[in-house]
Amino acid sequence: DAGITQSPRHKVTETGTPVTLRCHQTENHRYMYWYRQDPGHGLRLIHYSYGVKDTDKGEVSDGYSVSRSKTEDFLLTLESATSSQTSVYFCAITPFKGETQYFGPGTRLLVL
Amino acid sequence: KQEVTQIPAALSVPEGENLVLNCSFTDSAIYNLQWFRQDPGKGLTSLLLIQSSQREQTSGRLNASLDKSSGRSTLYIAASQPGDSATYLCAVIEGTSYDKVIFGPGTSLSVIP
Repeated sequence: DAGITQSPRHKVTETGTPVTLRCHQTENHRYMYWYRQDPGHGLRLIHYSYGVKDTDKGEVSDGYSVSRSKTEDFLLTLESATSSQTSVYFCAITPFKGETQYFGPGTRLLVL
Repeated sequence: KQEVTQIPAALSVPEGENLVLNCSFTDSAIYNLQWFRQDPGKGLTSLLLIQSSQREQTSGRLNASLDKSSGRSTLYIAASQPGDSATYLCAVIEGTSYDKVIFGPGTSLSVIP
C-alpha cells in the first residue's frame, strides 16, 4: 500500500471554527489531491497540488484553502466550517499526471 | 462537462456467479479510465487502469474493457466471492488537463454466500 496517512481520522467541530486536515505521504509523489465524498454526489475534487507551493482549484473549492510547503504534506483548511462541509475527506497521490491515484484512509468531519 | 454514471446502483448476487458492472461517460476525450474498490469506512483501492489507447485490462478474476467511441466501460468479475462485496467506482481522467478525475457514483455489490 502507498504510504499515505491522514489526520485526524475523525473530527467533530462547531460551525464557524477553523479546521485543518493533514495528508502526509512517504512516497515522494509529486501530485496530491483532496476530495470530499458525500451520498448522492460521489467523490468530488476540492483542490490539488502539482508540486511544492503549486496548487489549483477543483470542482468544489469554495470555502476551502490548501497549502503545500513540503513534498510530503498537503494541508486542507476550512477557514470557517459550515454544516455543508460535513463530509468524508480523502487525500490521494500519484507520481505522474494521469496515472493511478492512491488514496488515504479518509477523515470523517462533522460540523455541528 | 464530463459526467460519469454507473449502472446498476446496487447489485446482489449468489456466490460463484459471474457479473458485469457498467460505467458510462459523456465525453469520449479521456486520457484513461480507472476502476476502484471501496470497502465500508475505508479509502479507495485501485483495481485496474485502462489507457485510452487500450481496449481492456485484466487482473486475476477481474477484466475491464473500454469502448471510448460509445463512452462505455465494463468491469467483469468472474466467480464472485463474498470478499468481493464492496462499492465499485469508475473514474475518468479528462484528456486535456490530465489533472481532473471525474468519479461515477459507484455500484454497491453484495455477494451472498
